Amino acid sequence: DQQVKQNSPSLSVQEGRISILNCDYTNSMFDYFLWYKKYPAEGPTFLISISSIKDKNEDGRFTVFLNKSAKHLSLHIVPSQPGDSAVYFCAASARVSNFGNEKLTFGTGTRLTIIP
Amino acid sequence: DTAVSQTPKYLVTQMGNDKSIKCEQNLGHDTMYWYKQDSKKFLKIMFSYNNKELIINETVPNRFSPKSPDKAHLNLHINSLELGDSAVYFCASSRLRGSYNEQFFGPGTRLTVL
Repeated sequence: DQQVKQNSPSLSVQEGRISILNCDYTNSMFDYFLWYKKYPAEGPTFLISISSIKDKNEDGRFTVFLNKSAKHLSLHIVPSQPGDSAVYFCAASARVSNFGNEKLTFGTGTRLTIIP
Repeated sequence: DTAVSQTPKYLVTQMGNDKSIKCEQNLGHDTMYWYKQDSKKFLKIMFSYNNKELIINETVPNRFSPKSPDKAHLNLHINSLELGDSAVYFCASSRLRGSYNEQFFGPGTRLTVL
């Protein structure tokens, strides 16, 4: 059962334009959503997050939008730069213990290629 | 450098063998995790430890046994390796960031079972 879905395995965008990566989820118990960026032969690195009580979070060139009624979130990158070329994973979080252990459920990723 | 490190980076072995993957973090985090990324690119949590105590144990075969000698280390031992165990295994540790635990991932260990 795939609770977090990224339906676009790849996306190509011209440098300077906006990149929009999409993610859908099915579990309404998720209370936090995150985007991770991954370069080849490296582990995922945290990019930006959003709590389920918000609908937008912005950090520099990166903005994440959350539409809870549609169970949909998106990551906007503007302007896109060549260094943004990577695989982007959407993840959803449900806290599982009082110790703060987070169980992250990941999507399968979208490979973003920025064309110079 | 402060980071999450894993050894080895690549591991090629025969079916039926027993192998271990080591993970160390020097970030001072109390919580560590093991994830598996399979051939379909699904990244799934396997285990989570907090200060050497097992907190999350997903539906993982008993052949997989995590061991945490101290809170900076979380090793993964796999017995009787099977072809389906071939995957990239990521270790992670986390710190509290507001109301959320930000997770830091290691570079991964690519395990190939022949």
